[in-house]
Amino acid sequence: SAVISQKPSRDICQRGTSLTIQCQVDSQVTMMFWYRQQPGQSLTLIATANQGSEATYESGFVIDKFPISRPNLTFSTLTVSNMSPEDSSIYLCSVRTGLGEQYFGPGTRLTVT
Amino acid sequence: SQQGEEDPQALSIQEGENATMNCSYKTSINNLQWYRQNSGRGLVHLILIRSNEREKHSGRLRVTLDTSKKSSSLLITASRAADTASYFCATDPSGGSNYKLTFGKGTLLTVNP
Repeated sequence: SAVISQKPSRDICQRGTSLTIQCQVDSQVTMMFWYRQQPGQSLTLIATANQGSEATYESGFVIDKFPISRPNLTFSTLTVSNMSPEDSSIYLCSVRTGLGEQYFGPGTRLTVT
Repeated sequence: SQQGEEDPQALSIQEGENATMNCSYKTSINNLQWYRQNSGRGLVHLILIRSNEREKHSGRLRVTLDTSKKSSSLLITASRAADTASYFCATDPSGGSNYKLTFGKGTLLTVNP
């Protein structure tokens, strides 16, 4: 298994501002992902965070809006830029182990006012 | 797109009863994973079942997989109030290097004391 921590756990932000979410894993992992869960909805994959190279974004998500860093195999950040109320969601970091199991962090609950 | 679809969307039972949730999917998979999410928090990994497996157990949890019907079920026996949560299935598609889990919309389980 993998133990994942995220900071902050929650935040309330003004529209037009940006928030950076940190994700720390207790072991080195190759595959790390960022998901979004809008209120009352299921999870949607934002991007795959690649170590040492640019993240791979899913359809509907762009780097200018959700820049991602992955400086090493245990850490990643997701920035939500120029926020609007529609960005209010839970943002979750996730890692995949060599056995194929995928684990999630506790999430960051973002409210944009 | 959401591949997994859980059924029912909501389930309410009494403590001590069994709860069964179903998941259907559309394409071939490497594995299927079940998760629990307590209100607004992170996802807890419950069980991974591979495409060549038919049944797995973990404590009070029993998962079955029928690849011919493209369906899986999660059985929670002797339910407790603490089992109240949303339960999601996530499919790991086979083929290529696509390691992206696709989530269903979830089943909201309420266990009444």
